[in-house]
Amino acid sequence: AQSVTQLGSHVSVSEGALVLLRCNYSSSVPPYLFWYVQYPNQGLQLLLKYTTGATLVKGINGFEAEFKKSETSFHLTKPSAHMSDAAEYFCAVSDEDRDDKIIFGKGTRLHILP
Amino acid sequence: ETGVTQTPRHLVMGMTNKKSLKCEQHLGHNAMYWYKQSAKKPLELMFVYSLEERVENNSVPSRFSPECPNSSHLFLHLHTLQPEDSALYLCASSQGLNRGDGGYTFGSGTRLTVV
Repeated sequence: AQSVTQLGSHVSVSEGALVLLRCNYSSSVPPYLFWYVQYPNQGLQLLLKYTTGATLVKGINGFEAEFKKSETSFHLTKPSAHMSDAAEYFCAVSDEDRDDKIIFGKGTRLHILP
Repeated sequence: ETGVTQTPRHLVMGMTNKKSLKCEQHLGHNAMYWYKQSAKKPLELMFVYSLEERVENNSVPSRFSPECPNSSHLFLHLHTLQPEDSALYLCASSQGLNRGDGGYTFGSGTRLTVV
């Protein structure tokens, strides 16, 4: 069965520092990969997605992620953290058997230190 | 109004009450979903509807009853809930049942507390 592992349920970075949120997945077929962000008291918002083509994907709010097949990873990065980036981030992978299903990781809460 | 709208935003109900959650999307999407988000647990898919037909029921207890009268509206009817059902209930929609469609658009959720 597929799975998504997000390393670290909480990550803290200083404002202006590099943000790195880790995501590893397991899949026996080429996956579609997603990152979502959830701000307090809100639903999930799509940050970026990888389907096919270029392995470096750029998303909203200055975030990007790189699909590395050899490492089965899809880590999310942002060069310089901003206070408004404080939120929970979810990595997700498409289900290899069901086109209508996305499997979510448990989420990583990002804290920004002033 | 655009996007996915959920009402109410907050709901407190007793274990013997009957209530309904409402979801409305104005995106022209053909698939809609109910998810349950509990603290420290992954998002749990509850129901999937495509073109108003239910295509997935992830072994959800019968005290949760979905209804999809048309492609723009989705309801979750609740009755005789348990305290462990307290959670954030999220509605989502997508263009169709195709993983290449780019993921889901989520509503802001209904925070449910069962007392």
